[in-house]
Amino acid sequence: KAGVTQTPRYLIKTRGQQVTLSCSPISGHRSVSWYQQTPGQGLQFLFEYFSETQRNKGNFPGRFSGRQFSNSRSEMNVSTLELGDSALYLCASSLTVRGEQYFGPGTRLTVT
Amino acid sequence: ELKVEQNPLFLSMQEGKNYTIYCNYSTTSDRLYWYRQDPGKSLESLFVLLSNGAVKQEGRLMASLDTKARLSTLHITAAVHDLSATYFCAAGSNTGNQFYFGTGTSLTVIP
Repeated sequence: KAGVTQTPRYLIKTRGQQVTLSCSPISGHRSVSWYQQTPGQGLQFLFEYFSETQRNKGNFPGRFSGRQFSNSRSEMNVSTLELGDSALYLCASSLTVRGEQYFGPGTRLTVT
Repeated sequence: ELKVEQNPLFLSMQEGKNYTIYCNYSTTSDRLYWYRQDPGKSLESLFVLLSNGAVKQEGRLMASLDTKARLSTLHITAAVHDLSATYFCAAGSNTGNQFYFGTGTSLTVIP
């Protein structure tokens, strides 16, 4: 069974630009969560989707948004990028809400 | 919001020695997970602990959960170099699917 896939794996953007990251969950998994990992703040929860509905959102500004499609694939968008948005963005999928989460390889975003 | 504290942050240990990593969480959680992360890589699931008193073992690693004390431990027995990595604990929210992660323990096993 294929694992969680994320594209792109690496991205370099300039301040003020916007970026879209994509996540394909494990086949059959309907729950997708996103996390941001930085050296200073560690791993922080961004949002969680289940059946195309955002169920929870972490403490991030409105520049961070996401969505989930009917095939459970998810995207997250960051607008007006700031230097502090440089991070590893991890997507995780689970079969059910509150199920074990399986993490993808991550997208490393660098904002210059 | 659920807070997770993990210690130590850094751990340097000699091969063959034993050590324990501690994970405390602030409010009730019925799910506790341990992950391993190698440099530049994603998170690899190690253990899932779902009930009070749960103990799981895999090779030289053993994890336990005490929900009353809100404490989980990851015990390393007779460390080997291959165990060098960063270890995270994560407590699951009772109201959703989000995980709250500890700060991570960077483990270096010295020959």
